[in-house]
Amino acid sequence: GQNIDQPTEMTATEGAIVQINCTYQTSGFNGLFWYQQHAGEAPTFLSYNVLDGLEEKGRFSSFLSRSKGYSYLLLKELQMKDSASYLCAVMDSNYQLIWGAGTKLIIKP
Amino acid sequence: IAGITQAPTSQILAAGRRMTLRCTQDMRHNAMYWYRQDLGLGLRLIHYSNTAGTTGKGEVPDGYSVSRANTDDFPLTLASAVPSQTSVYFCASSDSTGTSGELFFGEGSRLTVL
Repeated sequence: GQNIDQPTEMTATEGAIVQINCTYQTSGFNGLFWYQQHAGEAPTFLSYNVLDGLEEKGRFSSFLSRSKGYSYLLLKELQMKDSASYLCAVMDSNYQLIWGAGTKLIIKP
Repeated sequence: IAGITQAPTSQILAAGRRMTLRCTQDMRHNAMYWYRQDLGLGLRLIHYSNTAGTTGKGEVPDGYSVSRANTDDFPLTLASAVPSQTSVYFCASSDSTGTSGELFFGEGSRLTVL
C-alpha cells in the first residue's frame, strides 16, 4: 500500500530552526509537495520538489531524496505565525496526490 | 479575485437527508477535486474532475456523487447522509493535471451528520 509518514506534533521556540521530516512509500513518484494549514483554515501551497536536493524559498526550504523516499521541510527564524499543521503529499504514478496526516507545529515564545 | 468559494461553511444534517456542497472557482482551472479531512488522517480524495464534462472516483467515493457541467462549478452531493460522513470537506482546483500544478483550496465546509 501507499504510505506517507510524518510526526504528529512538534514543538519549537520562536526564532529557532525546526525540521519536519516526511518519509513515503508510493506507487511511483511524480513529485512531493508541502502545504501549510492553519487551524480552521484551508491548506496553502509551500513547496514542490521533483528532483533530489534542496529548494530554498525565504525562511522555508524543502529537501528531497528520492532514493531514500525522504523529504524534510526546514523552517528558519521561527515566528509565532508559523504555528500550523504542515502537510506532506506525494504524487504517485497515476498523478494522484497521497497525503500524510500532517505535523502540528507549536511555536513557544 | 475570490479563488474558490464553498458553501455552506458549516451545516448540521440529520441522517438520511440529502445534501449538496457547492464549489465555484473563478480561476478557469481545468481540474477540480473534493477532499475530506478527518482528525488524524490525511486528506482523502472523494471525487475529481480533470475537465468539464468528466469526473472520476477517488479513494473514498462511496455515498458521494459529483457533476461538472461547466468549468467553474463542481458540486458534491450526499444522497443519504450517514454519521460517518461527518467531516470537513475541501474543494480544490488546479490549472494542470499530471504535473506540478499546485492545488488551490476553498475554505472548507464543516458537515455534521446526526
